[in-house]
Amino acid sequence: GENVEQHPSTLSVQEGDSAVIKCTYSDSASNYFPWYKQELGKRPQLIIDIRSNVGEKKDQRIAVTLNKTAKHFSLHITETQPEDSAVYFCAARGGGFKTIFGAGTRLFVKA
Amino acid sequence: GAGVSQTPSNKVTEKGKYVELRCDPISGHTALYWYRQSLGQGPEFLIYFQGTGAADDSGLPNDRFFAVRPEGSVSTLKIQRTERGDSAVYLCASSSGTGDIGELFFGEGSRLTVL
Repeated sequence: GENVEQHPSTLSVQEGDSAVIKCTYSDSASNYFPWYKQELGKRPQLIIDIRSNVGEKKDQRIAVTLNKTAKHFSLHITETQPEDSAVYFCAARGGGFKTIFGAGTRLFVKA
Repeated sequence: GAGVSQTPSNKVTEKGKYVELRCDPISGHTALYWYRQSLGQGPEFLIYFQGTGAADDSGLPNDRFFAVRPEGSVSTLKIQRTERGDSAVYLCASSSGTGDIGELFFGEGSRLTVL
C-alpha cells in the first residue's frame, strides 16, 4: 500500500540555523505534497505545499523541493526561530485523493 | 461554520462500549476525511468521503469501525465494542473537493480514551 517515510524523527537546531526534513513516498501516482505543522495539543495546519509539476517552491523562510524520479521531497526552514518549534508532517496525495502522512519530525529550536 | 468542528472534544469510555464521534466540516466542503492520531505518530488515514459516499474506506482497521455522511455535510464515526487500543485522537478534515483538491482543514480532534 501507499507509504510515506519521514526523517529525522527528532531535530534540534540552534536559533538562526537551518532545518531540513526529508520524506520519501511509495505511490508513483502521488501528485500533491503538503507539509503540516502541529503545535502541542493543536490541530495540524498547512504551512506549504507543492504539486508534481513543480520542482521547488518558496515562501519566506520555508521552501520545499520535490524529486519525482527519486520520489523524494524535503522541507527547508532557514533562520529558525523558537516559535518554529513544533512537529512537522509531510504528506502525499495520490490520484484518488487519499492523503498519507509521515510519522512526523519533532523540531526543537534552541534560543 | 468558520472551521471544522468536532464533538465531543474528549470522550472516556469503558472497554466494550459503543462510541460516536461527530464532525461538522466547513460549509460547502464536499470532501471529508477521518484520521486517527496516536501519541507521537502522524495522522493515520481511516476513510474519505466525497459528498455522501465513502470514496475510500481502506484505512478502517476492522469492522468495528464505521462512518456515515448521510446528507453530504456532517459525518459520524462509529466505533463498536471499543478496545483499549482504540484510544487516540480522532481527527476530521475537510477540503473543497472540487476539481483539484488542495488543503485539508483539520478540526481540533476528539480524544478517545478507552479504559
